[in-house]
Amino acid sequence: AQKITQTQPGMFVQEKEAVTLDCTYDTSDPSYGLFWYKQPSSGEMIFLIYQGSYDQQNATEGRYSLNFQKARKSANLVISASQLGDSAMYFCAMIPKDWDNYGQNFVFGPGTRLSVLP
Amino acid sequence: DVKVTQSSRYLVKRTGEKVFLECVQDMDHENMFWYRQDPGLGLRLIYFSYDVKMKEKGDIPEGYSVSREKKERFSLILESASTNQTSMYLCASSLGFDAEGNYGYTFGSGTRLTVV
Repeated sequence: AQKITQTQPGMFVQEKEAVTLDCTYDTSDPSYGLFWYKQPSSGEMIFLIYQGSYDQQNATEGRYSLNFQKARKSANLVISASQLGDSAMYFCAMIPKDWDNYGQNFVFGPGTRLSVLP
Repeated sequence: DVKVTQSSRYLVKRTGEKVFLECVQDMDHENMFWYRQDPGLGLRLIYFSYDVKMKEKGDIPEGYSVSREKKERFSLILESASTNQTSMYLCASSLGFDAEGNYGYTFGSGTRLTVV
Protein backbone atom coordinates (compact mmCIF):
# COMPACT_ATOMS: atom_id res chain seq x y z
CA ALA A 1 0.00 0.00 0.00
CA GLN A 2 1.07 3.53 -0.64
CA LYS A 3 1.98 5.71 2.31
CA ILE A 4 3.21 9.25 2.93
CA THR A 5 5.16 10.17 6.06
CA GLN A 6 5.66 13.67 7.37
CA THR A 7 7.67 13.47 10.57
CA GLN A 8 7.41 17.13 11.60
CA PRO A 9 4.01 17.86 13.17
CA GLY A 10 5.02 21.49 13.65
CA MET A 11 7.80 23.80 12.49
CA PHE A 12 8.83 27.34 13.28
CA VAL A 13 10.83 29.59 10.99
CA GLN A 14 11.91 33.20 11.17
CA GLU A 15 10.53 35.52 8.54
CA LYS A 16 12.80 35.79 5.46
CA GLU A 17 14.61 32.54 6.25
CA ALA A 18 14.35 29.31 4.27
CA VAL A 19 12.63 26.22 5.64
CA THR A 20 12.49 22.58 4.59
CA LEU A 21 9.44 20.42 5.21
CA ASP A 22 10.15 16.72 5.10
CA CYS A 23 8.20 14.11 3.19
CA THR A 24 8.98 10.46 2.55
CA TYR A 25 6.81 8.10 0.62
CA ASP A 26 6.41 4.42 0.07
CA THR A 27 5.19 2.88 -3.14
CA SER A 28 6.06 -0.03 -5.37
CA ASP A 29 4.63 1.68 -8.44
CA PRO A 30 7.24 2.89 -10.95
CA SER A 31 5.02 5.76 -12.05
CA TYR A 32 3.67 8.29 -9.59
CA GLY A 33 3.34 11.98 -8.92
CA LEU A 34 4.24 13.88 -5.78
CA PHE A 35 2.47 17.05 -4.72
CA TRP A 36 2.53 19.64 -1.99
CA TYR A 37 -0.56 21.49 -0.84
CA LYS A 38 -0.94 24.42 1.54
CA GLN A 39 -3.97 24.72 3.80
CA PRO A 40 -4.34 28.08 5.57
CA SER A 41 -6.70 28.52 8.49
CA SER A 42 -9.53 29.29 6.09
CA GLY A 43 -9.50 25.63 5.11
CA GLU A 44 -9.02 25.63 1.35
CA MET A 45 -6.36 23.41 -0.17
CA ILE A 46 -3.93 25.37 -2.34
CA PHE A 47 -1.79 23.49 -4.84
CA LEU A 48 1.88 24.49 -4.59
CA ILE A 49 4.10 22.20 -6.64
CA TYR A 50 4.35 18.74 -8.19
CA GLN A 51 7.05 16.34 -9.28
CA GLY A 52 6.64 13.38 -11.61
CA SER A 53 8.55 10.22 -10.76
CA TYR A 54 10.32 10.29 -14.12
CA ASP A 55 11.22 13.98 -14.02
CA GLN A 56 14.98 14.41 -14.04
CA GLN A 57 15.05 17.89 -12.55
CA ASN A 58 13.64 19.08 -9.27
CA ALA A 59 10.47 21.09 -9.64
CA THR A 60 10.47 24.78 -8.77
CA GLU A 61 7.60 27.23 -8.54
CA GLY A 62 8.51 30.71 -7.39
CA ARG A 63 9.67 30.49 -3.76
CA TYR A 64 8.83 26.78 -3.62
CA SER A 65 11.12 24.00 -4.70
CA LEU A 66 10.82 20.27 -4.34
CA ASN A 67 13.95 18.37 -3.35
CA PHE A 68 13.25 15.02 -5.00
CA GLN A 69 15.51 12.12 -4.07
CA LYS A 70 14.03 9.10 -5.75
CA ALA A 71 16.39 6.49 -4.32
CA ARG A 72 15.62 7.68 -0.80
CA LYS A 73 11.92 8.09 -1.62
CA SER A 74 11.86 11.60 -0.31
CA ALA A 75 10.19 14.73 -1.67
CA ASN A 76 10.98 17.60 0.68
CA LEU A 77 9.46 21.04 0.15
CA VAL A 78 11.80 24.00 0.44
CA ILE A 79 10.30 27.45 0.97
CA SER A 80 12.78 30.25 0.46
CA ALA A 81 12.47 33.69 2.06
CA SER A 82 9.54 32.77 4.33
CA GLN A 83 6.70 35.24 4.66
CA LEU A 84 4.11 35.64 7.42
CA GLY A 85 1.48 34.48 4.95
CA ASP A 86 3.25 31.13 4.65
CA SER A 87 1.94 30.15 8.10
CA ALA A 88 -0.35 27.22 7.35
CA MET A 89 -0.69 23.46 7.29
CA TYR A 90 1.33 21.77 4.54
CA PHE A 91 0.44 18.39 3.10
CA CYS A 92 2.59 16.12 1.00
CA ALA A 93 0.56 13.87 -1.30
CA MET A 94 1.11 11.18 -3.87
CA ILE A 95 -0.88 9.87 -6.78
CA PRO A 96 0.18 6.32 -7.56
CA LYS A 97 0.06 4.34 -10.80
CA ASP A 98 -1.13 6.11 -13.90
CA TRP A 99 -0.74 9.49 -12.31
CA ASP A 100 -0.98 11.51 -15.49
CA ASN A 101 -4.43 10.16 -16.17
CA TYR A 102 -7.02 12.38 -14.64
CA GLY A 103 -9.13 11.24 -11.79
CA GLN A 104 -6.48 9.44 -9.81
CA ASN A 105 -6.75 9.55 -6.05
CA PHE A 106 -4.36 11.17 -3.66
CA VAL A 107 -2.69 9.56 -0.70
CA PHE A 108 -1.95 12.29 1.84
CA GLY A 109 0.52 12.61 4.65
CA PRO A 110 -0.57 13.82 8.11
CA GLY A 111 0.68 17.33 7.47
CA THR A 112 3.15 19.79 9.00
CA ARG A 113 1.99 23.01 10.62
CA LEU A 114 4.39 25.81 9.73
CA SER A 115 4.49 28.98 11.79
CA VAL A 116 6.46 31.95 10.47
CA LEU A 117 7.71 34.26 13.19
CA PRO A 118 8.10 38.03 12.62
CA ASP B 1 -12.31 31.30 -11.94
CA VAL B 2 -13.03 27.62 -11.47
CA LYS B 3 -14.86 26.59 -8.35
CA VAL B 4 -15.85 23.73 -6.15
CA THR B 5 -18.56 24.86 -3.78
CA GLN B 6 -19.59 23.07 -0.63
CA SER B 7 -23.00 24.13 0.57
CA SER B 8 -22.20 24.50 4.27
CA ARG B 9 -19.11 25.76 6.02
CA TYR B 10 -20.18 24.58 9.47
CA LEU B 11 -22.80 22.00 10.37
CA VAL B 12 -24.00 20.63 13.69
CA LYS B 13 -26.15 17.48 13.68
CA ARG B 14 -27.48 15.06 16.24
CA THR B 15 -26.50 11.43 16.55
CA GLY B 16 -28.71 9.26 14.37
CA GLU B 17 -29.68 12.02 11.95
CA LYS B 18 -29.34 11.56 8.20
CA VAL B 19 -26.88 14.16 6.94
CA PHE B 20 -26.33 15.41 3.39
CA LEU B 21 -23.17 17.23 2.40
CA GLU B 22 -23.44 18.85 -1.00
CA CYS B 23 -20.69 19.67 -3.44
CA VAL B 24 -21.05 21.44 -6.77
CA GLN B 25 -18.37 22.14 -9.38
CA ASP B 26 -18.60 24.45 -12.37
CA MET B 27 -15.66 23.07 -14.35
CA ASP B 28 -17.39 20.23 -16.21
CA HIS B 29 -15.07 17.74 -14.50
CA GLU B 30 -16.04 14.10 -14.72
CA ASN B 31 -14.22 13.12 -11.55
CA MET B 32 -15.28 14.09 -8.06
CA PHE B 33 -14.08 13.05 -4.65
CA TRP B 34 -14.98 13.21 -0.97
CA TYR B 35 -12.27 13.27 1.69
CA ARG B 36 -12.37 13.63 5.42
CA GLN B 37 -9.60 15.41 7.29
CA ASP B 38 -8.63 14.63 10.87
CA PRO B 39 -5.67 15.98 12.88
CA GLY B 40 -2.62 13.78 12.55
CA LEU B 41 -4.19 11.69 9.80
CA GLY B 42 -4.25 14.08 6.88
CA LEU B 43 -6.94 13.61 4.26
CA ARG B 44 -8.49 10.21 3.68
CA LEU B 45 -10.60 9.29 0.68
CA ILE B 46 -14.18 8.27 1.42
CA TYR B 47 -15.73 7.87 -2.04
CA PHE B 48 -15.11 9.03 -5.57
CA SER B 49 -17.01 9.12 -8.83
CA TYR B 50 -15.74 8.98 -12.41
CA ASP B 51 -19.05 9.66 -14.05
CA VAL B 52 -22.70 10.37 -13.42
CA LYS B 53 -24.32 7.59 -11.43
CA MET B 54 -20.96 5.88 -10.93
CA LYS B 55 -19.27 5.60 -7.56
CA GLU B 56 -16.27 3.84 -6.12
CA LYS B 57 -15.31 3.23 -2.51
CA GLY B 58 -12.23 4.91 -1.17
CA ASP B 59 -10.23 4.01 1.89
CA ILE B 60 -12.86 4.67 4.56
CA PRO B 61 -16.37 4.24 3.08
CA GLU B 62 -17.99 2.69 6.15
CA GLY B 63 -20.91 4.72 7.41
CA TYR B 64 -21.12 6.82 4.24
CA SER B 65 -22.82 6.69 0.88
CA VAL B 66 -22.77 9.04 -2.11
CA SER B 67 -25.00 10.20 -4.90
CA ARG B 68 -24.10 11.60 -8.33
CA GLU B 69 -27.24 12.24 -10.34
CA LYS B 70 -25.78 15.16 -12.28
CA LYS B 71 -22.25 15.76 -13.47
CA GLU B 72 -21.76 18.91 -11.46
CA ARG B 73 -23.08 17.64 -8.13
CA PHE B 74 -21.65 15.02 -5.79
CA SER B 75 -23.38 14.43 -2.48
CA LEU B 76 -22.01 12.68 0.59
CA ILE B 77 -24.61 11.04 2.82
CA LEU B 78 -24.25 9.99 6.41
CA GLU B 79 -27.14 7.57 6.81
CA SER B 80 -27.11 7.72 10.62
CA ALA B 81 -24.60 10.23 11.93
CA SER B 82 -22.35 9.19 14.78
CA THR B 83 -19.97 11.20 16.95
CA ASN B 84 -16.93 9.55 15.33
CA GLN B 85 -17.97 11.20 12.07
CA THR B 86 -17.24 14.61 13.51
CA SER B 87 -14.61 15.90 11.10
CA MET B 88 -13.74 18.29 8.30
CA TYR B 89 -15.08 17.08 4.95
CA LEU B 90 -13.47 18.21 1.71
CA CYS B 91 -14.86 17.75 -1.76
CA ALA B 92 -12.65 17.86 -4.86
CA SER B 93 -13.01 17.57 -8.59
CA SER B 94 -10.39 16.68 -11.16
CA LEU B 95 -9.55 17.03 -14.80
CA GLY B 96 -5.93 15.94 -14.56
CA PHE B 97 -3.48 18.00 -16.60
CA ASP B 98 -4.87 20.68 -18.86
CA ALA B 99 -3.41 21.89 -22.16
CA GLU B 100 -1.14 24.35 -20.35
CA GLY B 101 0.31 21.63 -18.13
CA ASN B 102 -1.49 22.75 -15.02
CA TYR B 103 -2.78 20.02 -12.78
CA GLY B 104 -6.53 20.41 -12.52
CA TYR B 105 -7.45 19.05 -9.12
CA THR B 106 -9.54 21.58 -7.22
CA PHE B 107 -10.74 21.37 -3.63
CA GLY B 108 -13.74 22.99 -2.02
CA SER B 109 -13.38 25.05 1.16
CA GLY B 110 -14.57 22.24 3.38
CA THR B 111 -17.48 21.54 5.70
CA ARG B 112 -16.74 21.21 9.38
CA LEU B 113 -19.31 18.75 10.70
CA THR B 114 -19.94 18.27 14.40
CA VAL B 115 -22.14 15.39 15.52
CA VAL B 116 -23.46 15.75 19.05
